[in-house]
Amino acid sequence: EDQVTQSPEALRLQEGESSSLNCSYTVSGLRGLFWYRQDPGKGPEFLFTLYSAGEEKEKERLKATLTKKESFLHITAPKPEDSATYLCAVRGSGGYNKLIFGAGTRLAVHP
Amino acid sequence: DTGVSQDPRHKITKRGQNVTFRCDPISEHNRLYWYRQTLGQGPEFLTYFQNEAQLEKSRLLSDRFSAERPKGSFSTLEIQRTEQGDSAMYLCASSLDRGDGANVLTFGAGSRLTVL
Repeated sequence: EDQVTQSPEALRLQEGESSSLNCSYTVSGLRGLFWYRQDPGKGPEFLFTLYSAGEEKEKERLKATLTKKESFLHITAPKPEDSATYLCAVRGSGGYNKLIFGAGTRLAVHP
Repeated sequence: DTGVSQDPRHKITKRGQNVTFRCDPISEHNRLYWYRQTLGQGPEFLTYFQNEAQLEKSRLLSDRFSAERPKGSFSTLEIQRTEQGDSAMYLCASSLDRGDGANVLTFGAGSRLTVL
């Protein structure tokens, strides 16, 4: 069964303090690993898709990387507006393109 | 394009009542998904439509749940005889399958259900 585990559950950073979020996955036939951002009371907002080990994607202060067993979301010099829950999801070869999500990492960036 | 719209945003109901949620996907998208999210958890897959055909249903979707997508446009999710355990955020997402494997899901803001 496809499974996604995210760590830590919660992370508190000072503004400018860089860190990384982890997403470990087990999936039969990875057809994409997805990172989403979710603000309170809102739906998830798409950030990145990664397809193969070694692939990297960047957007502003965020950089996502992928290995055969896990993905990292690196946050460089975060700002308070980066505070949100970051969700990782995988799409496997089974099922009709559904995404299997982890529980997320709640990030709080304080000034 | 206004994105994925969901209605109502909030619904409070008493146990045993029926509720219905509506989702209007991005107009050119041919795939539509329903997910459920409880506090502190990630979204859990409920069901999926390709145009008007419901192609997959999760084991989470009991007989009290039914989803439709008439004419491949908007979709409704009905919960009959609601239970307190049904309290959650119900998320709708849509995507366009271009055949290139990208198929990024765009989510709506969700419909929050509280069952008293």
